[in-house]
Amino acid sequence: EPEVTQTPSHQVTQMGQEVILRCVPISNHLYFYWYRQILGQKVEFLVSFYNNEISEKSEIFDDQFSVERPDGSNFTLKIRSTKLEDSAMYFCASTVGRDEQYFGPGTRLTVT
Amino acid sequence: QKEVEQDPGPLSVPEGAIVSLNCTYSNSAFQYFMWYRQYSRKGPELLMYTYSSGNKEDGRFTAQVDKSSKYISLFIRDSQPSDSATYLCAPGGYQKVTFGTGTKLQVIP
Repeated sequence: EPEVTQTPSHQVTQMGQEVILRCVPISNHLYFYWYRQILGQKVEFLVSFYNNEISEKSEIFDDQFSVERPDGSNFTLKIRSTKLEDSAMYFCASTVGRDEQYFGPGTRLTVT
Repeated sequence: QKEVEQDPGPLSVPEGAIVSLNCTYSNSAFQYFMWYRQYSRKGPELLMYTYSSGNKEDGRFTAQVDKSSKYISLFIRDSQPSDSATYLCAPGGYQKVTFGTGTKLQVIP
């Protein structure tokens, strides 16, 4: 069964460093998303991406964040200068249309 | 008022019990409704998806949506210890899914 994959599973970085989180969505999906979940809190929407551009973003997704689909399979989230409060699980999701979203296993980001 | 509200639990039930998980939402723009299951430190796993009021059944799971009262339910029949997880109510709009805080369920053997 097709699934969303994410790498790395765990990333440790120092405050102020740049990180890139990678996702491979399900192959025939057209809409891509990033969410995050701070430990013990709810899953929060960050950004949606369709047709090589951002469709919607939340107030969390400020200038420090960017997304890219560099080729036909990968979808990346970049955080330019990480802060302690960026520590969270980051989930990628994809969908064929604007409906049921399938999530990846997540990348745990730890900023020290 | 929060957009999506769930009782956080924890909810403990004996194996074999029928479980009822509930959720309310405030945004009338939500067009489709999902339930996800999330194990600790794992990604949300899609359980049920529906876009209309009424019931939808899939195996031991039944999702119920009442758009007029903005109320969503998930029923689990013959609950198993492997159902122990956090259940996330997730109504969706045009571009994104809005998650509730989740209800933690423990099924005791």
